[in-house]
Amino acid sequence: QVQLVQSGSELKRPGASVKVSCKASGYTFTNYAMNWVRQAPGQGLEWMGWINTITGIPTYAQAFTGRFVFSLDTSVSTAYLQISNLKSEDTAVYYCAREWELLHDYWGQGTQVTVAS
Amino acid sequence: QSVLTQAPSASGTPGQRVTISCSGSRFNIGSNTVSWYRQLPGTAPKLLIYSKNQRPSGVPDRFSGSKSGTSASLAISGLQSEDEAEYYCAAWDDSVNGYAFGTGTKVTVL
Repeated sequence: QVQLVQSGSELKRPGASVKVSCKASGYTFTNYAMNWVRQAPGQGLEWMGWINTITGIPTYAQAFTGRFVFSLDTSVSTAYLQISNLKSEDTAVYYCAREWELLHDYWGQGTQVTVAS
Repeated sequence: QSVLTQAPSASGTPGQRVTISCSGSRFNIGSNTVSWYRQLPGTAPKLLIYSKNQRPSGVPDRFSGSKSGTSASLAISGLQSEDEAEYYCAAWDDSVNGYAFGTGTKVTVL
């Protein structure tokens, strides 16, 4: 069965970097794009962008340009989200989600990233 | 600020029918497929409805979706206690060339 398993919770200081992983199984990784979604505490879902799993080319939503980087390691069917120069407002749960026909049919369990001094 | 607007809350008693609305524009709901997601407390969202009232395997037919113009609706019939969750609509938005989620509706079973 399709599974997206994300890395565990992270506690980081402001200014540090974090890399979240999303390991896919149960399907051919390069057949579907991978999206990233953020959910700040008590808030709704916010689409961050997506990465083409064939070409590795990322597309970022306007609010997520600059400090956010999507990447892949297709040899291990894993997508990554890296956030640099972390700020307190980056505290959130980050989800990876498989994209199918402009919707998200499978989601990872989420990774809590907490930025605090 | 999401381009898809939902009422913040809805409620009903067990067995009732509850309808959740999602208002958008010609750039999103008006021209692209709408999907609905359910997020139980502390868990990841799960796809509930997509593309003209299609349900993924395992989603009961108590859940149904519809669309008219630039608005969409999700109906939950035979409301059950386990339906207490946050519900989000979503659609691609051509004006920003990106995906938009609704503001979310929290359903409470009284």
